[in-house]
Amino acid sequence: SQQGEEDPQALSIQEGENATMNCSYKTSINNLQWYRQNSGRGLVHLILIRSNEREKHSGRLRVTLDTSKKSSSLLITASQAADTASYFCATAYNSGSARQLTFGSGTQLTVLP
Amino acid sequence: DGGITQSPKYLFRKEGQNVTLSCEQNLNHDAMYWYRQDPGQGLRLIYYSQIVNDFQKGDIAEGYSVSREKKESFPLTVTSAQKNPTAFYLCASSPRTVIYEQYFGPGTRLTVT
Repeated sequence: SQQGEEDPQALSIQEGENATMNCSYKTSINNLQWYRQNSGRGLVHLILIRSNEREKHSGRLRVTLDTSKKSSSLLITASQAADTASYFCATAYNSGSARQLTFGSGTQLTVLP
Repeated sequence: DGGITQSPKYLFRKEGQNVTLSCEQNLNHDAMYWYRQDPGQGLRLIYYSQIVNDFQKGDIAEGYSVSREKKESFPLTVTSAQKNPTAFYLCASSPRTVIYEQYFGPGTRLTVT
């Protein structure tokens, strides 16, 4: 199935540093969403960027979307230990039966105190 | 975890038994979804429903069944036909289609031995 793929699979940084995660996808999208999952918990929506948007900010989060390269990036600035989690991109496609999100396999972020 | 509840948090069953996972939402959302997550992987869609008394198969529907008799409830039955049912199951809802963010429940971890 069509999936977003995150890169890297795992990322370990020191508290205060910035963390960047990337997502690539395959076909035209309606929107791309980023979610966070703490270990053993449900997912929490972080930010949604539409196909006609190029950049979006929410607090310490910055998301970019490059539809020509079919890629997105999530930047977390001034990371905190509480940011330790898995981060997933999810894409909503423009195909006829696009009533669902397709999730990537995630980036595991560890922020060391 | 918003206004979505899943119960129980942990569930243990013997092989060959059917088991039903509960999902309830009080967000007045039309659409509801069931996902399966295996260790270190992303989410895969099992079933989704956009309206009461209607539901659609996702990518991995074999061995699962659902019902949507009420807007608030979307139970998932894992049948004995599901060959590898041990997994983390997540329920989600959204106002309508994928143009909106999804709200996730806390998940149910099912172990079948």
